[in-house]
This record gives sequence, structure tokens and C-alpha cells, in this order.
Amino acid sequence: KNQVEQSPQSLIILEGKNCTLQCNYTVSPFSNLRWYKQDTGRGPVSLTIMTFSENTKSNGRYTATLDADTKQSSLHITASQLSDSASYICVVSATDSWGKLQFGAGTQVVVTP
Amino acid sequence: GAGVSQSPRYKVAKRGQDVALRCDPISGHVSLFWYQQALGQGPEFLTYFQNEAQLDKSGLPSDRFFAERPEGSVSTLKIQRTQQEDSAVYLCASFGTVNTGELFFGEGSRLTVL
Repeated sequence: KNQVEQSPQSLIILEGKNCTLQCNYTVSPFSNLRWYKQDTGRGPVSLTIMTFSENTKSNGRYTATLDADTKQSSLHITASQLSDSASYICVVSATDSWGKLQFGAGTQVVVTP
Repeated sequence: GAGVSQSPRYKVAKRGQDVALRCDPISGHVSLFWYQQALGQGPEFLTYFQNEAQLDKSGLPSDRFFAERPEGSVSTLKIQRTQQEDSAVYLCASFGTVNTGELFFGEGSRLTVL
């Protein structure tokens, strides 16, 4: 069973609107959680990385939150732009196997004019 | 180079052929990872190198898959006797140091096995 579950699988939003993506994980012992953006046909690009002690981190219009107690994270996209259309992947690593990151399947976001 | 470079970007192979995929990590990066990404899925771990040492190869799906990094920089992922189920994007990523947390990905090599 995948230790990182993302929802929704896909979503369509109008340009200028906000949206929130969810990530639930069971990876333990937890080390850090990252959000990546992957454009079609490209490699993933890092948006944020959060450790156990951090509960929010922003990168421009992207804001990630982390609740290490409930093992949940969210990625909020504010005032979406057409260029935000991509797959957003949640990645979690454990302290005892930092080299083997656990990837979610991603949420495919489509921003329409 | 400035980023992680992978080649070829696209490879079409006939079933049974051997293929070799190359990864040039960011200069000086100690750690290197290979991932396999099926269409519509997140990347799945294949193998991990620290310098020239292959510390974890538990994700390699079969003994047809082999990876090496002989001088601790460039890495090659080799797939022997390719099968249709090997069709995927193969991503390479590198870390500078463990504590920086920043994992840089290449653009990937898309393998299609006919």
C-alpha cells in the first residue's frame, strides 16, 4: 500500500481561483515532506520542504501546511494562473531511510481561462 | 553543469533490445537516485548511490536492470532484454548534502518498448 496518498486525483479550476490539494501519509518515523510541481514531459521541481517542526511554508502563490500529528499536509494555490497547470506531487521521507523518498501519485491540476 | 542532465530524452526500443540511460548529476553532488515513473503515476524508487557506492538497489524490478556510477559522478541505468512493461520515464535526481533537503531532478528519459 502506498504510504503517501493524495487527493483529489485531478481537478479543474478557473484562472484566478484558489485551490487546495491534500496529502495524507503513514511514513514513519517522519523526517520531512516536500511538494513538487511537475509540468508535462518535465522533471519535478521543488516547491517547498517542511520538517517536523514546521507547520507552514510559502513559495510565492504556493503555501504548504503540515500537521505532523495527523500526518496530513496541504498545498494551497492562490490566484491560479494558466502556468499552474501541472501535476503536484507530495513526497515524504523517513528519518531511517532518507535516501528512499515515498512519492504520492500526484494531483493533476488544470487551470482554464 | 547547472542542472541534472539526462540522455537520451526519448528512446524507442524493440522488445529484447538492451538500452542504456545516462545521468549527469549536478557537479559535486554526492547522492544520486534513479526513479521510474509510469504514466499518470508518481516516481517510484529504483536505486541510490552515494559517490560510487550503490547503497540501495531494492527498487530495481528485476535482474535485467543494472545501474552503475563508477567514478562517483555520471551514472548509467542499463536495461537488458527490454520488455513492454519497462516503458516509462526514468528520472535521475541528485542531492548535494543530506541536510540541504533539496533534491534536483533531471528532465527524464522516456523509454518506449515496442
